[in-house]
Amino acid sequence: QKEVEQNSGPLSVPEGAIASLNCTYSDRVSQSFFWYRQYSGKSPELIMSIYSNGDKEDGRFTAQLNKASQYVSLLIRDSQPSDSATYLCAVGYSGANNLFFGTGTRLTVIP
Amino acid sequence: DAGVIQSPRHEVTEMGQEVTLRCKPISGHNSLFWYRQTMMRGLELLIYFNNNVPIDDSGMPEDRFSAKMPNASFSTLKIQPSEPRDSAVYFCASSFAASGGMYEQYFGPGTRLTVT
Repeated sequence: QKEVEQNSGPLSVPEGAIASLNCTYSDRVSQSFFWYRQYSGKSPELIMSIYSNGDKEDGRFTAQLNKASQYVSLLIRDSQPSDSATYLCAVGYSGANNLFFGTGTRLTVIP
Repeated sequence: DAGVIQSPRHEVTEMGQEVTLRCKPISGHNSLFWYRQTMMRGLELLIYFNNNVPIDDSGMPEDRFSAKMPNASFSTLKIQPSEPRDSAVYFCASSFAASGGMYEQYFGPGTRLTVT
């Protein structure tokens, strides 16, 4: 059973702070990892993808992958109220085209 | 560059009626996914196609649900007969599946279905 787990939150951070979102997965035969942002009433939007151990930075976002510990995280620096959304972690496994999604973490950035 | 297109955006129907949801994937993508999202169950994969062939339909809740992909640019999800518990947002997503497994999926805007 392939599982992707996230804390449902809500996670509240003050504006300007670093928001840290975490995700763990159960299967070691994994090769692709994604973070999606979903605003209320909207569809999931791909914001980060990471395929190898280490950090990947894109603007205020940093994805961190540790395959040995089976976790992937998303850091949002200088959080803004517009970052308030639900963040979904997704994992792709070797040999399968589909992704396995976590239940999402709701983030609120307080002005 | 058009993204995934879904229609209708909203559908309100009465219990027992047939509902057909439509999806046009991103041009060039060869995999298509149907998801359902509710507050209680989150995002659930219903079925996905690769090169127009259904690969995994284990998420389809019951025989009332069916999906087709007659060509690379069109797919339908049909519910017949519909029930109130089918009320949810239905998303279509597409990706380009190639060796190496870099399967970034892109979602359409969704269809909000309400069955009364």
